[in-house]
Amino acid sequence: EPEVTQTPSHQVTQMGQEVILRCVPISNHLYFYWYRQILGQKVEFLVSFYNNEISEKSEIFDDQFSVERPDGSNFTLKIRSTKLEDSAMYFCASSEGAANTGELFFGEGSRLTVL
Amino acid sequence: RKEVEQDPGPFNVPEGATVAFNCTYSNSASQSFFWYRQDCRKEPKLLMSVYSSGNEDGRFTAQLNRASQYISLLIRDSKLSDSATYLCVVIYNTNAGKSTFGDGTTLTVKP
Repeated sequence: EPEVTQTPSHQVTQMGQEVILRCVPISNHLYFYWYRQILGQKVEFLVSFYNNEISEKSEIFDDQFSVERPDGSNFTLKIRSTKLEDSAMYFCASSEGAANTGELFFGEGSRLTVL
Repeated sequence: RKEVEQDPGPFNVPEGATVAFNCTYSNSASQSFFWYRQDCRKEPKLLMSVYSSGNEDGRFTAQLNRASQYISLLIRDSKLSDSATYLCVVIYNTNAGKSTFGDGTTLTVKP
């Protein structure tokens, strides 16, 4: 069964360092997303990406965040200068159509710990 | 007021019980509704979409009440494997890329 894969599964970094989280969405999907979940809290939308550009972003997704689809398969989330409060599980997701039309398929997540 | 608000839980029920979760949403322009399931420290997975006419999938029934702006999930004949956190997800038509998740309601089914 096709799945969304994410790397790394866990990353520990020092405050102020740059982090890149990688995702390989399901191959025939056109819409890509990043969500985060702080431990014990709800899943929060960060950004959606379609046709090589950001289609929606939340207030959380400020200038320190960026996304890229550098090639035909990877979808990355970069955090330029990490803060303690960026510690969370980051989920990548993809969907065949727009989010309001059907299922989001999530990866297993990348746990980011900022020290 | 939260955009999506769920029953706080947790719900602890015996096997075989019927349990219902409610979720309310604040934006009347909301267009699409889903229930996702999240096991501890795992990714969310789609349980079912919620349609205006209501829909059923085996032991699970989802209902939508647009006038009152709430959706519900009914689980009949609970199994131990139903233990998880159930997430209500709402998408506004104008924000087709953004899914808003509720805080989740945790269900524990006990033998």
